[in-house]
This record gives sequence, structure tokens and C-alpha cells, in this order.
Amino acid sequence: EPEVTQTPSHQVTQMGQEVILRCVPISNHLYFYWYRQILGQKVEFLVSFYNNEISEKSEIFDDQFSVERPDGSNFTLKIRSTKLEDSAMYFCASRTESRSGNTIYFGEGSWLTVV
Amino acid sequence: DAKTTQPTSMDCAEGRAANLPCNHSTISGNEYVYWYRQIHSQGPQYIIHGLKNNETNEMASLIITEDRKSSTLILPHATLRDTAVYYCIVRVFGAGSYQLTFGKGTKLSVIP
Repeated sequence: EPEVTQTPSHQVTQMGQEVILRCVPISNHLYFYWYRQILGQKVEFLVSFYNNEISEKSEIFDDQFSVERPDGSNFTLKIRSTKLEDSAMYFCASRTESRSGNTIYFGEGSWLTVV
Repeated sequence: DAKTTQPTSMDCAEGRAANLPCNHSTISGNEYVYWYRQIHSQGPQYIIHGLKNNETNEMASLIITEDRKSSTLILPHATLRDTAVYYCIVRVFGAGSYQLTFGKGTKLSVIP
């Protein structure tokens, strides 16, 4: 069964450093998403991406965050200057665009620990 | 998207059916009911979705009331591996990014 894959599974970084989280969405999918979950809290939407541009973003997704689809297969989330409060699990997700296939599928996540 | 209400937690004996309720009294005509679960901080896993008819797949059944104001997810024979947080989400089905809004869900504990 096709799946969304994410790397790294866990990353520890120092405050102020840049981090790039990578995702390979399911191959025929056209909509891409990033969510995050701070330990013990709800899963929160960050951003959606379609046709090489951001289609929707939340208040969390400020100027420190950016997304990119550099090569037609990877989808990345960059945090420019990490803060302690960016420590969370980050989930990538994707879905196709069809009347029969509208389900969003999630990856297993990347744990980011900012120290 | 319409708001949903779920119990905070439930227990179920292993091998019995787990019935997880969800209220979505403000659901609109073009919104579907989706169920996801999250096993111990893994990525949310899609279970099932429906509009107004009852649905069944290899994982679960979804029963939606006629007025569509509530639904029940049924895991017919719960196992220990079904212990997870279950999320009921209503969402428009169609073109567009239509992201999911997660609530706190129901923490289901399957007991041996």
C-alpha cells in the first residue's frame, strides 16, 4: 500500500538553527500538508500546498516557516531559526484530487527537539 | 467545518465491539464524517468516512443517523492494537485543500 514517508524520524537541533524536514508524498497525490503536534496536545494544521503554491496556512505558519516541492517528489518544511516552542512531532500528509479519492493520508512523523 | 463532540475516554474489553459516538449537530449538507485514529504519537491513520449512508470497510463500520447529527464508529472485535485516540472530523468533500481540523478525540483503551 502506498504511503507517505518522512525523514528524519527524529532530529535534535540547537535553538536558532535551521531545520529541514522532508517528506515523500504518495506518488499520484496533488495536495500536500504539514501538521504538527506538540507533546500532549492536539494535531494542528500548519499549511497546505497545491500546484506549487501555498493554498492555505494557519496562524502558526509564520515567516519562520516555508515549504517547497523542489523536485517533483519531495515536499519539505523549513524552519529558519528554531525556537524551543517548535519542539513537536511534524506530520506530512497528502491526498489526490478525484471524486473517489479525497482522503488525506499521513506519514509517521518527524520528532523535532529544539534544545 | 462543523464542530464535533466526542467522549474523552472509553474502555472496551478485548474481543468485544467498540462503539465510539460522535455528535456533529451543525453538520452541513456537503460535509462528510471522517474517522481517524492515532496510536501513541504515530501519524493519524484514516479509518473510514461517509455522508449519510452507513459504511463498512475492513477496519470498521460507520453508522450515521438519519438526521446526520451524530454517528458511531464500530470496531467489531477490538484488539489490544486498537488502543488509540479516535478522532471524528467533519469536512467538505470536494476540490480544494480542505484540511482536517483535529479535536481532542476519544481515547479508547482496549482491556485484556
